[in-house]
Amino acid sequence: QQQVKQSPQSLIVQKGGISIINCAYENTAFDYFPWYQQFPGKGPALLIAIRPDVSEKKEGRFTISFNKSAKQFSLHIMDSQPGDSATYFCAASGGGGNKLTFGTGTQLKVEL
Amino acid sequence: EAEVAQSPRYKITEKSQAVAFWCDPISGHATLYWYRQILGQGPELLVQFQDESVVDDSQLPKDRFSAERLKGVDSTLKIQPAELGDSAMYLCASCPTPGQGLSGANVLTFGAGSRLTVL
Repeated sequence: QQQVKQSPQSLIVQKGGISIINCAYENTAFDYFPWYQQFPGKGPALLIAIRPDVSEKKEGRFTISFNKSAKQFSLHIMDSQPGDSATYFCAASGGGGNKLTFGTGTQLKVEL
Repeated sequence: EAEVAQSPRYKITEKSQAVAFWCDPISGHATLYWYRQILGQGPELLVQFQDESVVDDSQLPKDRFSAERLKGVDSTLKIQPAELGDSAMYLCASCPTPGQGLSGANVLTFGAGSRLTVL
């Protein structure tokens, strides 16, 4: 059972543009929503995270938007750069445990 | 910066052989996870340890996979016998005791992974 659905599977954005990746979850017990960035040959690294008590969190060029009623959250990358080219995973955990459930990933390519 | 160490980075084996992966978490991290990441997919939890105890191994194929963390520090994941479908990246991650960490969040730090190819 896939509890976190992520789209799109791949994304190409021009340098300076905005990259948007969307995720939807089913389990209402989830209370922690991180985004991980993964470069080829490396493990995922935490990029930014949000809890459902806020609707938006911004860190530099990265912003999470959270819609609790719709059970959706998204990652926005402003002024996208070639160095942002990587695979991005949304994830969720909660319900008294700390097991992370990951989305299927979005491969982002930022072109010059 | 503290890192999660994993070895080997790459392993090629034939089906029916035994393989083992090792993980050394960040010092002081009581919680350790093994995830499996099939190419093109997100990581899936295999097993979670709290100190030396297994907290969750519901997704671990116990007929062929085993994991241990005898002294509550480093951990070993074993596959015997390996099957073609086991080809994947095996990721180890650690975090502070649940409920602690940055703002009480569950901040996992992943290692670089061990890539397994079964021929």
